[in-house]
Amino acid sequence: DAGVIQSPRHEVTEMGQEVTLRCKPISGHNSLFWYRQTMMRGLELLIYFNNNVPIDDSGMPEDRFSAKMPNASFSTLKIQPSEPRDSAVYFCASSLRQGGETQYFGPGTRLLVL
Amino acid sequence: TQLLEQSPQFLSIQEGENLTVYCNSSSVFSSLQWYRQEPGEGPVLLVTVVTGGEVKKLKRLTFQFGDARKDSSLHITAAQPGDTGLYLCAAPASYGKLTFGQGTILTVHP
Repeated sequence: DAGVIQSPRHEVTEMGQEVTLRCKPISGHNSLFWYRQTMMRGLELLIYFNNNVPIDDSGMPEDRFSAKMPNASFSTLKIQPSEPRDSAVYFCASSLRQGGETQYFGPGTRLLVL
Repeated sequence: TQLLEQSPQFLSIQEGENLTVYCNSSSVFSSLQWYRQEPGEGPVLLVTVVTGGEVKKLKRLTFQFGDARKDSSLHITAAQPGDTGLYLCAAPASYGKLTFGQGTILTVHP
């Protein structure tokens, strides 16, 4: 099993640019989660999908952030425009079902906004 | 919001020492998970505890779920440099989410 795949692994961009992070969940998993991790705030849930439908986006910081899941095997997290305070590691995770199931995390995308 | 408080936040020890990490809450949980995150990687599940008072062992790691299902501990015996990482506890929250603790950063020096 390939596990959760994220791309890119590293992204360096300038303030104001659009950033798109990509995720391929484990095949057969019905739930997908986007997290942001920083030293100050730890691991924060941004949004989560179940069967490709957004269930809870209360963690999305502001309108600059958007996420889509057009099909069961692909999701994107977009930041437009990016700001230096968006610098963090962004993780995608998937689980077989919703409801406290084990989450399988990808390797993360390390984003630096200059 | 259900909060999980982990302690200590940082732990720096020598190889061979024992240590305990705590995860506490005022809420009762149906289950609790422990994850380990190594530098440059995503968190990986170590164990899930579901019954109050339950003890699970994973080699040198011992996990315990409190009798009231509000707290948990992770004890490592004879720590090794390979145990270095961020340890996170997590519990089910609303809408099928997991709520995570802030984590304990463990460094084991050779």
